[in-house]
Amino acid sequence: QSVLTQPPSVSAAPGQKVTISCSGSSSNIVNNYVSWYQQLPGTAPKLLIYENNKRPSGIPDRFSGSKSGTSATLGITGLQTGDEADYYCATWDSSLGAEEFGGGTKLTVL
Amino acid sequence: QITLKESGLTLVKPTQTLTLTCTFSGFSLSTSGVGVGWIRQPPGKALEWLALIYWDDDKRYSPSLKSRLIITKDSSKNQVVLTVTNMDPVDTATYYCAHRRGSSGCFDVWGQGTTVTVSS
Repeated sequence: QSVLTQPPSVSAAPGQKVTISCSGSSSNIVNNYVSWYQQLPGTAPKLLIYENNKRPSGIPDRFSGSKSGTSATLGITGLQTGDEADYYCATWDSSLGAEEFGGGTKLTVL
Repeated sequence: QITLKESGLTLVKPTQTLTLTCTFSGFSLSTSGVGVGWIRQPPGKALEWLALIYWDDDKRYSPSLKSRLIITKDSSKNQVVLTVTNMDPVDTATYYCAHRRGSSGCFDVWGQGTTVTVSS
């Protein structure tokens, strides 16, 4: 059971916007950077967002990240069928002394 | 360009010890701030962090698996080795190694993963 809580699934139509939440606590999200990973079916995870809201080179600006208090949010605009994937948040938990991943959210683009 | 690749046995028996090697290129594990981590993913389940090793040999382990894990590095060979003792069928998973960007606390480049099955 992860200390980071994500909704199991979200869905939206092509072209629409979706947000994925990641709920944590004062020992993880509040005082540490949050990163987000995209895992397309059958592939390794790929870094999507780091340091809460920064995009690595090559990641389109349709993807955004934010953090407020004990929660973080991934936003995806202009949804495409190619965005169908599992999305994971992650951060360091200072109390556990461990990197924590959320349970993952499956995005379906209807 | 940073690349990482996992290697090791793909089938192990219960109680055996699993040894996985991560061979990387494009960076040095002697450079300040750099690390390599191991993450696994059981079939159909979420990612689970296992261990981290940094350029200065600082090592971190998952609290739930700490007694069974050993992570080491050989900077001259550009390799990181993860040892998992007392393997069990529940350890069946795809095991990934990834480059850790220490200052950002993220895994910015991942290996392709290697699937390990634990079965008698």
